[in-house]
Amino acid sequence: GENVEQHPSTLSVQEGDSAVIKCTYSDSASNYFPWYKQELGKRPQLIIDIRSNVGEKKDQRIAVTLNKTAKHFSLHITETQPEDSAVYFCAANEGTSYDKVIFGPGTSLSVIP
Amino acid sequence: DAGVIQSPRHEVTEMGQEVTLRCKPISGHDYLFWYRQTMMRGLELLIYFNNNVPIDDSGMPEDRFSAKMPNASFSTLKIQPSEPRDSAVYFCASSLRTGMYEQYFGPGTRLTVT
Repeated sequence: GENVEQHPSTLSVQEGDSAVIKCTYSDSASNYFPWYKQELGKRPQLIIDIRSNVGEKKDQRIAVTLNKTAKHFSLHITETQPEDSAVYFCAANEGTSYDKVIFGPGTSLSVIP
Repeated sequence: DAGVIQSPRHEVTEMGQEVTLRCKPISGHDYLFWYRQTMMRGLELLIYFNNNVPIDDSGMPEDRFSAKMPNASFSTLKIQPSEPRDSAVYFCASSLRTGMYEQYFGPGTRLTVT
């Protein structure tokens, strides 16, 4: 089955700086890679996703890149703000079933004002 | 739509008791997922349904756990008997089509087993 690893586990940045979170996956058949944000005490919410037919996707201050050859993908947040502080989860779907996604262990991002 | 609804929001029970968690997915969503979240194990998929049919229950920890979806608007996750190691936040999520689309999570049920 799919295995998703995520680094770093914790990340602290100054407000206005950029943050980068990296993930690797094991199933070469995976083709869907969502990112979820979970604020303290809240539910996970999708912030951006990418499919394997594209290498990069942007949405305002957030961008994701995908390297299928190396089986890794990254989340980039520019001009960070205190409200970006949360736990971020990357995920990848299982190539055999496509229906389910496997989540990484999460990265706790703290943006220091 | 009110989003995914879960009840109860908090549950405290004693070891050995039966616990039932409830979920109402977003109307029209074909997929329903049950997750468990702990600090140690992160966000784990327990089971998911497609059109009320269980598709993959490989994440269910053991026979003490069972899940049902009697109709398109209701699902339950039951733990019998409960143990302290079952303490976690349990999320239900629904998706319009396959898992390759956004999953909408409910607010979660925080379960504490003493």
